[in-house]
Amino acid sequence: QKEVEQNSGPLSVPEGAIASLNCTYSDRGSQSFFWYRQYSGKSPELIMSIYSNGDKEDGRFTAQLNKASQYVSLLIRDSQPSDSATYLCAVTPWNTDKLIFGTGTRLQVFP
Amino acid sequence: DAGVTQSPTHLIKTRGQQVTLRCSPKSGHDTVSWYQQALGQGPQFIFQYYEEEERQRGNFPDRFSGHQFPNYSSELNVNALLLGDSALYLCASSRRRARDSNQPQHFGDGTRLSIL
Repeated sequence: QKEVEQNSGPLSVPEGAIASLNCTYSDRGSQSFFWYRQYSGKSPELIMSIYSNGDKEDGRFTAQLNKASQYVSLLIRDSQPSDSATYLCAVTPWNTDKLIFGTGTRLQVFP
Repeated sequence: DAGVTQSPTHLIKTRGQQVTLRCSPKSGHDTVSWYQQALGQGPQFIFQYYEEEERQRGNFPDRFSGHQFPNYSSELNVNALLLGDSALYLCASSRRRARDSNQPQHFGDGTRLSIL
């Protein structure tokens, strides 16, 4: 079992729709969770961090964390073609600072 | 406010050579982590430096080594390069983690290393 799992996609959504990206992790003691966006040929850019169960909203982005189910998700409302990128889920295991990444989900938003 | 800066942006080496990559952290950050990202994969943790010492290390051989300087900047050294070392090398900086949470890591633009 991979430490952090994501569906590689591509996930295709029409412009204006809600894109839902999902991630599961294996270390039950994980304490910090992050979503990064990576455009092709570029480096990862932090878009959301979440540390406790529930929802966290920032503009068009909402991160959701369920530690009991070991599940974290990212919702993108009013998706735009400029949101087309790979979205990386990252988790820090218990008592460490390192990031464990999933392989990323490629999102395509079409006009 | 400068973000994380890495140099060089691209590098071409041949098998068996050695390479040094450099990173300057974001202002206010004191911790530097290095990651390797192969094509189509998520970044893989190499190691982390804080207070000029290697604090954590991922599953990478001893050919990968590093250093952190008093100004918090860092170097990644790779010896005896292999074809499989071709990847994007990312530096990320953060502030030392607060109790019960990890400060987000911010990435530089990376160094793309190609081994011929």
